[in-house]
Amino acid sequence: AQSVTQLGSHVSVSEGALVLLRCNYSSSVPPYLFWYVQYPNQGLQLLLKYTSAATLVKGINDFEAEFKKSETSFHLTKPSAHMSDAAEYFCAVSENNNDMRFGAGTRLTVKP
Amino acid sequence: NAGVTQTPKFRILKIGQSMTLQCTQDMNHNYMYWYRQDPGMGLKLIYYSVGAGITDKGEVPNGYNVSRSTTEDFPLRLELAAPSQTSVYFCASSPGANQPQHFGDGTRLSIL
Repeated sequence: AQSVTQLGSHVSVSEGALVLLRCNYSSSVPPYLFWYVQYPNQGLQLLLKYTSAATLVKGINDFEAEFKKSETSFHLTKPSAHMSDAAEYFCAVSENNNDMRFGAGTRLTVKP
Repeated sequence: NAGVTQTPKFRILKIGQSMTLQCTQDMNHNYMYWYRQDPGMGLKLIYYSVGAGITDKGEVPNGYNVSRSTTEDFPLRLELAAPSQTSVYFCASSPGANQPQHFGDGTRLSIL
């Protein structure tokens, strides 16, 4: 079955700095990949998705992710962090079935 | 613009009690899901449904039951509550397999 590993349960950056959240996946077929964001006491919201159309995927709020098959990675980046980006981020993989697997999550803290 | 609505938002149960977590969506999505979220563990799929009358087990179905009599509703039932079922439960829906999922705001359940 497919699986996801998010490297780093906590990431802290300064406001205006680059955000990099790491995600590696395992899949036996070309995967569908997603990044979701969760704010406190809320459900998950979609940031972006990869569905094989392009390896660089742009999402909401200036987030983007690059699919690298050779590295089985789908890292999330944002050029300049805002205080409002503080949240928990989840990478997820789906393998042409009904079972989407989520990573354990990375909590992003943004320091002023 | 309700999306996915979960009730109740909070609940405390005693060991051995039963309850139903309600979930309804107004997006006419065929697919619906129940997840549990535990700290540091990401989301684990409990049950899912690909349409009215069709349900199937996910990764962690033991201790839970579901039904799907209509497209809109997908209730989750706990028959004999156990402390291990203390968690945050999320309902989600999507138009189809491998599509982004839309999440409710969750039900925080404590079993004492």
